[in-house]
Order: sequence, then C-alpha cells, then structure tokens
Amino acid sequence: DIQMTQSPSSLSASVGDRVTITCRASQSISRSLNWYQQNPQKAPKVLIYSASRLESGVPSRFSGSGSGTDFILTITSLQPEDFATYYCQQGYSPPWTFGQGTRVEIK
Amino acid sequence: QVQLVQSGSELKKPGASVNISCKASGYTFTRYSLIWVRQAPGQGLEWMGWINTNTGNPTYAQAFRGRCVFSLDTSVNTAFLQISSLKSEDTAIYYCARVGSSYYNFFDPWGQGTLVIVS
Repeated sequence: DIQMTQSPSSLSASVGDRVTITCRASQSISRSLNWYQQNPQKAPKVLIYSASRLESGVPSRFSGSGSGTDFILTITSLQPEDFATYYCQQGYSPPWTFGQGTRVEIK
Repeated sequence: QVQLVQSGSELKKPGASVNISCKASGYTFTRYSLIWVRQAPGQGLEWMGWINTNTGNPTYAQAFRGRCVFSLDTSVNTAFLQISSLKSEDTAIYYCARVGSSYYNFFDPWGQGTLVIVS
C-alpha cells in the first residue's frame, strides 16, 4: 500500500498568513494527489485534485503543486473559515490512502 | 444538485450488526463508484473500500475484509454498508462519497456521515 505522510501535523497561524502543508508519498504517484478540507463536525470537501486543479467553487487562495512523491498545498492570505483540518489522498492505486491530516489552528 | 444522504446515528451493543445507507440523488447512480470511509473519534480518514455501482463489485481495504459488506439497491439509488460482530473500536463516523472521476479518483460529494456508537 502507498503511505501518505503529511507535515506538519498541526500549525498555528493568523488571519492573512500564508500557509503551506506538505504531503509525501511512499512511492511515485505521478500527479494523482487530491486535497480535502474538513471543518469540525462536517464531512470533508475536495479542494484540489490531480495535484493542482482547483475544484469548482473553491477560492483561488488555495493552490496545489508537486508531482512524483512530494506535494504542497498552499493557502495564501488565510481566512477565518480556513481554520480546519486538511488531508491529502492518493488516487494512483487502491487502497486510495489518506495522509494523517494537518490541523490549522488560530494563533 | 448532486447529493448523498446517509441514514441516522446508531447505538449498538458489542457483537451486533449495523446497516448504514447512502442514498444518491442528482446524477445517474450507476455511472460513478462509491467509497466508504471511517473516521474514529478525533482521528483521521481511513479508506474502507469502494463499490462499482455498475457491476456491484466491491473492493475492501485489508483492515475491513471479513466483517464489512458493501451492497447496492440500484432501484432506489442507494448503497449500504453492513458491519457485523461490532466491537467498541468500531465506534466512528462512517462516510460514503462518490468517486468524482475514475481518472483522478477524488471523492466528491460526501454524505453527511453516520455516527455509530458501540457500547
């Protein structure tokens, strides 16, 4: 199975900050990497698919990059509604595993 | 709009079984596969497996083989997750989600989740 490792596990940031979250795959997954946001008590929501494609309706302050084994989710100018947990997920081969999550908290 | 609506919360005793439903609307049910995901309290997302809604063929992640069964009733656009021989460790929120693209394999939308408490 492909293991997905996110870093950091949590971070504290302020409104307006630029935030980056890293996701590393245990083997090359080309660009088959998706990012999700989960707010407390809510279901996850897809933000980015295929490493860098922004899902319809997602604000442009979210962006993704990377290929192979290393990927980055960037949030420019963090907004109050962005304080949530973020997960990466590989869609390269089943089982389609998730990273362990990165919690973004208010500083 | 495309929507998945899951059945309500369940409280079960150890050793019992639970059946969770996931009703789809707003799209052709058999065109998109569905996945199931477990989220234990305070923990991350765990992919349980997926079901091909066209063929009915299920695929289970290793950790969920044996006690979990995915099934369909295509006449009512509904998928089911049955978990048998429940243990306290099965206490979690269970989500269904549509595989948004068979090429990119991302999951959208998600059901609202079903809380199962085993106690």
